[in-house]
Amino acid sequence: DAGVTQSPTHLIKTRGQQVTLRCSPISGHKSVSWYQQVLGQGPQFIFQYYEKEERGRGNFPDRFSARQFPNYSSELNVNALLLGDSALYLCASSFSDRQGAHEQYFGPGTRLTVT
Amino acid sequence: QKEVEQDPGPLSVPEGAIVSLNCTYSNSAFQYFMWYRQYSRKGPELLMYTYSSGNKEDGRFTAQVDKSSKYISLFIRDSQPSDSATYLCARASGGSYIPTFGRGTSLIVHP
Repeated sequence: DAGVTQSPTHLIKTRGQQVTLRCSPISGHKSVSWYQQVLGQGPQFIFQYYEKEERGRGNFPDRFSARQFPNYSSELNVNALLLGDSALYLCASSFSDRQGAHEQYFGPGTRLTVT
Repeated sequence: QKEVEQDPGPLSVPEGAIVSLNCTYSNSAFQYFMWYRQYSRKGPELLMYTYSSGNKEDGRFTAQVDKSSKYISLFIRDSQPSDSATYLCARASGGSYIPTFGRGTSLIVHP
């Protein structure tokens, strides 16, 4: 069975641009969470979606938005990119939004570099 | 003060050594703890989780929680070069799906 997949693997953007990152959860999983991991730090929670609804939001500006599709895949959008947005963006999936933190499975991440 | 504190290392040990990785936390609410392993350019992979104080063992790995001192540890026995990775500790409140991570400790096991 395929794990969580993310695309693209790596991308480079310029300050002020917009970016869209994509995530496909494990088959059968209906909840997707997004995390930002800056180099040398642990992942920080951005959003959780379940059944296309936002179920949680971390302490990130409104430039960050996300959505979930009927097939449970998800997109994370970041507008007006700043240098500080350079990070590894991780997607994690779980069966539902009622499961414990330890029942999330992480994807390989998308490495975003903002120049 | 950050919720979960972790020394970034790097920690360098010879193959076969016993490795001790440690975290401290500040929140006293009911919670549970996790250890993740993250290889370079990969996502975190859950190694172990535990709710209670004391030890939990899984193969070469032992997770230890001391709630009185707010200290959590991961021990790796007979360390291998393939254990070289960043180890992240995390905590979550009971019923919460959101883990709070430490910054991770880089471990290097040299042959």
